[in-house]
Amino acid sequence: ILNVEQSPQSLHVQEGDSTNFTCSFPSSNFYALHWYRWETAKSPEALFVMTLNGDEKKKGRISATLNTKEGYSYLYIKGSQPEDSATYLCASANSGNTPLVFGKGTRLSVIA
Amino acid sequence: NAGVTQTPKFQVLKTGQSMTLQCAQDMNHEYMSWYRQDPGMGLRLIHYSVGAGITDQGEVPNGYNVSRSTTEDFPLRLLSAAPSQTSVYFCASSYWGPVNSGNTIYFGEGSWLTVV
Repeated sequence: ILNVEQSPQSLHVQEGDSTNFTCSFPSSNFYALHWYRWETAKSPEALFVMTLNGDEKKKGRISATLNTKEGYSYLYIKGSQPEDSATYLCASANSGNTPLVFGKGTRLSVIA
Repeated sequence: NAGVTQTPKFQVLKTGQSMTLQCAQDMNHEYMSWYRQDPGMGLRLIHYSVGAGITDQGEVPNGYNVSRSTTEDFPLRLLSAAPSQTSVYFCASSYWGPVNSGNTIYFGEGSWLTVV
């Protein structure tokens, strides 16, 4: 089974701070990398899907980068707000015919 | 748009009871799957299906059965519930196939199951 690691497991930041966290995955046979945002008592929602080395995607204050050669992706949040508090999940697949494997998530708490 | 609908939202079972979690999607997605979420464990894949009549095991399939008689529905059956199956269950769907863009997964709202 593909091993997808996320770090840190949790973090607390002050409102207005920028932050980032990491998703690591096997660099061999890479197919796709997904980021999801998951609020408590809600369903996970897709943020980004990335497939190409060097991909950078942005949605408002949130952006992500992808390095498939070294097997990592970063998620950045600029100027964190309390509503950014959630668990951020990444998931990877090593082919188009196998399901995504999720990491354990990074739980972000933004303190007003 | 209904998206992915799963029921029930909450359920308490006694050890040994059976039940079925229902999942339906109206997006004509080929791929459907069930995940369970436990504290500190992230989302773990139980079973998945890439089309009607096709199912396969995920990472943690023991104690669960699935079937896919139609594109829209993918029920998850617990034949004899155990306390270890206390968890939050998510159904999900997406398009499937070796498309280079990668296919976003759409999740249901979750089912909270407690086995006592």
